[in-house]
Amino acid sequence: GQQLNQSPQSMFIQEGEDVSMNCTSSSIFNTWLWYKQEPGEGPVLLIALYKAGELTSNGRLTAQFGITRKDSFLNISASIPSDVGIYFCAGQLRHDMRFGAGTRLTVKP
Amino acid sequence: EAGVTQFPSHSVIEKGQTVTLRCDPISGHDNLYWYRRVMGKEIKFLLHFVKESKQDESGMPNNRFLAERTGGTYSTLKVQPAELEDSGVYFCASSHFRLAGGIGQETQYFGPGTRLLVL
Repeated sequence: GQQLNQSPQSMFIQEGEDVSMNCTSSSIFNTWLWYKQEPGEGPVLLIALYKAGELTSNGRLTAQFGITRKDSFLNISASIPSDVGIYFCAGQLRHDMRFGAGTRLTVKP
Repeated sequence: EAGVTQFPSHSVIEKGQTVTLRCDPISGHDNLYWYRRVMGKEIKFLLHFVKESKQDESGMPNNRFLAERTGGTYSTLKVQPAELEDSGVYFCASSHFRLAGGIGQETQYFGPGTRLLVL
């Protein structure tokens, strides 16, 4: 089945720094999504991308749907302590959604 | 609008016992999904309901897992008998299909998960 490779696995950054993470796949998807999970909670949708090449922002977050439909990146600018959590990418083809293994982000004040 | 809810939030059971997890989707969402995340791994699909019908159960690990969605509302996932490798976080998600700007969109909203530990 489709496998998503998400990197990096973890990041330790200083407050105020920018963050970049990405996902690649050997298969194409119609939709790319980025979720954030905090301890004790379920994944919360951050950004959804529906068209190849689409670049979408949500506050300090920016994500792009790769033109080949096989990859996506998420950038977080000027990180703050509450950005801490696990970020998951997900590729969706109709109802079928596959997740990356997650990027664990730690932000030091 | 209430989100997806799951019960219980945590469950600790012994190997061989039975556990039933419950998911209440967002009202009006026809699609309901079950996922599982084992420690440190990716979130993996288990199965998908459309209303009360199983659309895709290709991710169910084996026949110890039984999912139902009575009347197309809430869903249950029963594990019987539980094994050590069943430990993990079980997520439920729901969605509905909509058209926006000519593009079909189906965004899945996740519940908080049930943390299952089998000893």
